[in-house]
Amino acid sequence: ETGVTQTPRHLVMGMTNKKSLKCEQHLGHNAMYWYKQSAKKPLELMFVYNFKEQTENNSVPSRFSPECPNSSHLFLHLHTLQPEDSALYLCASSQGGGFGTYEQYFGPGTRLTVT
Amino acid sequence: EDQVTQSPEALRLQEGESSSLNCSYTVSGLRGLFWYRQDPGKGPEFLFTLYSAGEEKEKERLKATLTKKESFLHITAPKPEDSATYLCAVLETGANSKLTFGKGITLSVRP
Repeated sequence: ETGVTQTPRHLVMGMTNKKSLKCEQHLGHNAMYWYKQSAKKPLELMFVYNFKEQTENNSVPSRFSPECPNSSHLFLHLHTLQPEDSALYLCASSQGGGFGTYEQYFGPGTRLTVT
Repeated sequence: EDQVTQSPEALRLQEGESSSLNCSYTVSGLRGLFWYRQDPGKGPEFLFTLYSAGEEKEKERLKATLTKKESFLHITAPKPEDSATYLCAVLETGANSKLTFGKGITLSVRP
């Protein structure tokens, strides 16, 4: 266990549904991240939060909406997704502000399938 | 042009057969280079951070090295449990830099 948990682990949703992904870190870190991992592609950074403030939005479509109520919790709200959004969504956390030189610790991911 | 290129894409080894995985990068300034291991259905697991050319780090059968253009992950006498995808990521210098990942190398070690 890395100290980063994600729920649910698997999610199947229709294109008209609304769902949320949850991430919690127990490491005392200050920065949290959402990544998308698709087959045969590098990890794609989606959002970054430092001390609960969003500092990066990597040109992500508005159908993905992040929320960070505190330094330990991160949500990704999903609505009207497309089939191409099917992927593994990974949450990560790191010590310090932003990327610095601190390594990121990842959760197990949520496998999302959009039908 | 990809900033981080990993090769080969896949590698199959016999147990005990040592080899190396390559990560080449093109950035104007390197703040750090990271190696991760990812098992199927799981998130990446942090292995090493390297900061400057000439630096080396070891963990069990793994040793990571860094030059100004590439990093190698050497695997000595691998075991089947070393089978996984190995990811390389670089962090450039600069205020708004972010981790850039390679596509990964899938290693399979046969008993």
